[in-house]
Amino acid sequence: DTEVTQTPKHLVMGMTNKKSLKCEQHMGHRAMYWYKQKAKKPPELMFVYSYEKLSINESVPSRFSPECPNSSLLNLHLHALQPEDSALYLCASSPSGMGYNEQFFGPGTRLTVL
Amino acid sequence: AQTVTQSQPEMSVQEAETVTLSCTYDTSESDYYLFWYKQPPSRQMILVIRQEAYKQQNATENRFSVNFQKAAKSFSLKISDSQLGDAAMYFCAYRGTNSGYALNFGKGTSLLVTP
Repeated sequence: DTEVTQTPKHLVMGMTNKKSLKCEQHMGHRAMYWYKQKAKKPPELMFVYSYEKLSINESVPSRFSPECPNSSLLNLHLHALQPEDSALYLCASSPSGMGYNEQFFGPGTRLTVL
Repeated sequence: AQTVTQSQPEMSVQEAETVTLSCTYDTSESDYYLFWYKQPPSRQMILVIRQEAYKQQNATENRFSVNFQKAAKSFSLKISDSQLGDAAMYFCAYRGTNSGYALNFGKGTSLLVTP
């Protein structure tokens, strides 16, 4: 299994809703990432987990809450989002956090906040 | 901080022709890694090719090759025998050994392939 899966593919939510994005990989990778990507822009790093511990939080608002329950699974909990949070949310994984390791990306969740 | 510059927002190439996408970067590190990622309309980011800075030999993957000029801090991507399926946004990315986990992406080049 050489892929990163993300669910759901699409999500529409209101500003008062609570929802979660899920990311899963079974490649034995020990680093996992959340990126946010607006249309026609490069991905922006949000969070990095290394060996199930949060390593990097790129000053992301608290309405985004990451969780890494185990080495294969990464969640992003969403609460009280704003319309400007509408974007493609990409998950990625790599064998470990440092060095040469290629990051493998999932297909993304397209989020629309109404 | 490292910066990655892609100076061509859009490029166009005819099928079967060759096109070169440019990328320059700024860094004070001596050891780092460079990548080209492709993102088609489906939005899945796919690694096209990678280059380790300590290797002088340019990386090649089938129809894709790079021209890595370390002194000039340049990392261009050449696509030979272009195919319709090559149409996508192409991102150049930098990852330093001392700069943590993050990939620093350029702004991207949108490649159009015409029949």
